[in-house]
Amino acid sequence: DTAVSQTPKYLVTQMGNDKSIKCEQNLGHDTMYWYKQDSKKFLKIMFSYNNKELIINETVPNRFSPKSPDKAHLNLHINSLELGDSAVYFCASSQGPSIREETQYFGPGTRLLVL
Amino acid sequence: KNQVEQSPQSLIILEGKNCTLQCNYTVSPFSNLRWYKQDTGRGPVSLTIMTFSENTKSNGRYTATLDADTKQSSLHITASQLSDSASYICVVRVPGDYKLSFGAGTTVTVRA
Repeated sequence: DTAVSQTPKYLVTQMGNDKSIKCEQNLGHDTMYWYKQDSKKFLKIMFSYNNKELIINETVPNRFSPKSPDKAHLNLHINSLELGDSAVYFCASSQGPSIREETQYFGPGTRLLVL
Repeated sequence: KNQVEQSPQSLIILEGKNCTLQCNYTVSPFSNLRWYKQDTGRGPVSLTIMTFSENTKSNGRYTATLDADTKQSSLHITASQLSDSASYICVVRVPGDYKLSFGAGTTVTVRA
């Protein structure tokens, strides 16, 4: 059983296209996250939802829009893709954002390449 | 400047040898410090977590230490195995903040 799953695993697309990445967790967690890992391997938080409510919204272009239909799903939609959007996008979940020692469980990542 | 700096950037060791990875952070105060292991092509997996009052935490052959005074942490890998080849990421959390500060990671390659 996969705890945090993402689809697709690989995404190759042209500049200017619109694409979505889906994430699902079966851990019963309340909080979900989207991270971007660039070529230098830094993981940067983009968004976080707790019980379907947005709690973290970092400075990312408004071309990126997260959507949480329920607390087990957090999808990421990207409009007008640019070359700089090429990266690995990780979804993660945790029991709750305020629990001191909560562990974030990461998905396998979606490798996005914009041509 | 990133608040979490890791060194070395990469290292190669022979199977069976030990190695130590370093993490220096400027985040203050902090709630906890965690080491993650990220295998190639996979998401990070938590290895250890320490609060500011803890000095050491072990997970099998992995031992993490923390010196909150000097704001340094280390991860020691004992008797390395080929499966230890991965990127090891140091992560610091600020109290009351949902966000985590990530280091860039140290890439460890274990050779037979």
